[in-house]
Amino acid sequence: ETGVTQSPTHLIKTRGQQVTLRCSSQSGHNTVSWYQQALGQGPQFIFQYYREEENGRGNFPPRFSGLQFPNYSSELNVNALELDDSALYLCASSLSETQYFGPGTRLLVL
Amino acid sequence: AQSVTQPDIHITVSEGASLELRCNYSYGATPYLFWYVQSPGQGLQLLLKYFSGDTLVQGIKGFEAEFKRSQSSFNLRKPSVHWSDAAEYFCAVGGGSNYKLTFGKGTLLTVNP
Repeated sequence: ETGVTQSPTHLIKTRGQQVTLRCSSQSGHNTVSWYQQALGQGPQFIFQYYREEENGRGNFPPRFSGLQFPNYSSELNVNALELDDSALYLCASSLSETQYFGPGTRLLVL
Repeated sequence: AQSVTQPDIHITVSEGASLELRCNYSYGATPYLFWYVQSPGQGLQLLLKYFSGDTLVQGIKGFEAEFKRSQSSFNLRKPSVHWSDAAEYFCAVGGGSNYKLTFGKGTLLTVNP
């Protein structure tokens, strides 16, 4: 059974650019959640997708958007990058209440 | 609104000593509670979870946690810590149909030889 995978592992962007992060969910899981973890903080919920529909959103601006595909993999897109977007972005997949996390993508915005 | 407080930012214990990491939560209904562990530069690994039933739950790596509704707590314990347990530990709360997890700020565990 393959766990949650994310790509890329690391990314460097400049302010104002756009970025796309990818997540492959664990086999059989139909729900994907995205979290942002700033340095020294706990993860903050960005949004969740269930069967290709957004199923809830945290306190993040509209420049954070997402997508889920028929195979339940997912993308997180961030437009107009700001310095404060530098963080570890975590994807988690689930079939019920328990979320299983991927290794994360570390984004640095210069 | 749901929230989690982990009062201890950093704890240092000696190898072989016992460990207790504190977690207090606020949630309007019956909570689903989780403990995750994160090694440097890594994602989160699930240690254990509580949904209902026996309030003492066992997890991986010899960890256990006890749910105390009257104290709104879900403390993590281990009787004898190993050097490989050094990591950051996060407590999280969610709900059955509630789609998100709310995490505490984490407790960094250092293990001295």
